[in-house]
Amino acid sequence: GDSVTQMEGPVTLSEEAFLTINCTYTATGYPSLFWYVQYPGEGLQLLLKATKADDKGSNKGFEATYRKETTSFHLEKGSVQVSDSAVYFCALWDDKIIFGKGTRLHILP
Amino acid sequence: NAGVMQNPRHLVRRRGQEARLRCSPMKGHSHVYWYRQLPEEGLKFMVYLQKENIIDESGMPKERFSAEFPKEGPSILRIQQVVRGDSAAYFCASSPPRDSYEQYFGPGTRLTVT
Repeated sequence: GDSVTQMEGPVTLSEEAFLTINCTYTATGYPSLFWYVQYPGEGLQLLLKATKADDKGSNKGFEATYRKETTSFHLEKGSVQVSDSAVYFCALWDDKIIFGKGTRLHILP
Repeated sequence: NAGVMQNPRHLVRRRGQEARLRCSPMKGHSHVYWYRQLPEEGLKFMVYLQKENIIDESGMPKERFSAEFPKEGPSILRIQQVVRGDSAAYFCASSPPRDSYEQYFGPGTRLTVT
């Protein structure tokens, strides 16, 4: 069945560092891909999405590009802030949302 | 426009008791989804409902769990005779009628079974 694999955390970075969180997927077709963010004590919020190959989703300085050839959707940000500390979930849509296990990100001031 | 509301935010039950979790979707949303998040795990789909209909319950445990979304009032996830393994965060999401992938999540209910 469809699945999403993302890098295990926690990931700890200093403020202004470059961020990459890897995500790969397995699916029979070409699903829509998402990154969700969960701040402490809150529900998930959609961060960005891409619906077809080579699409780039972006929001709040975060970016991810839908790579069909590598079945990947890695999340990147050029300069992280303390307020980016959260859990990030990669997900795909194929008739229902399938989530990765999440990556906890800690940003140190 | 209020977001997805869930209550209670925290629920403690003893083994064998019943747990009722409530979800009010965003205004204008007629689709509701329930997910379970176990510690250090991602969210796992449980059930998808529209008003008065269960559309997909492929993720629901076969016993003790049930869900409804009545014509009036919130959606209810009901867990009978809870066991320690039911301890988790339960999230509800809603979506507008034709965009099921655009789901908006509530803050979740954290269930602890003692």
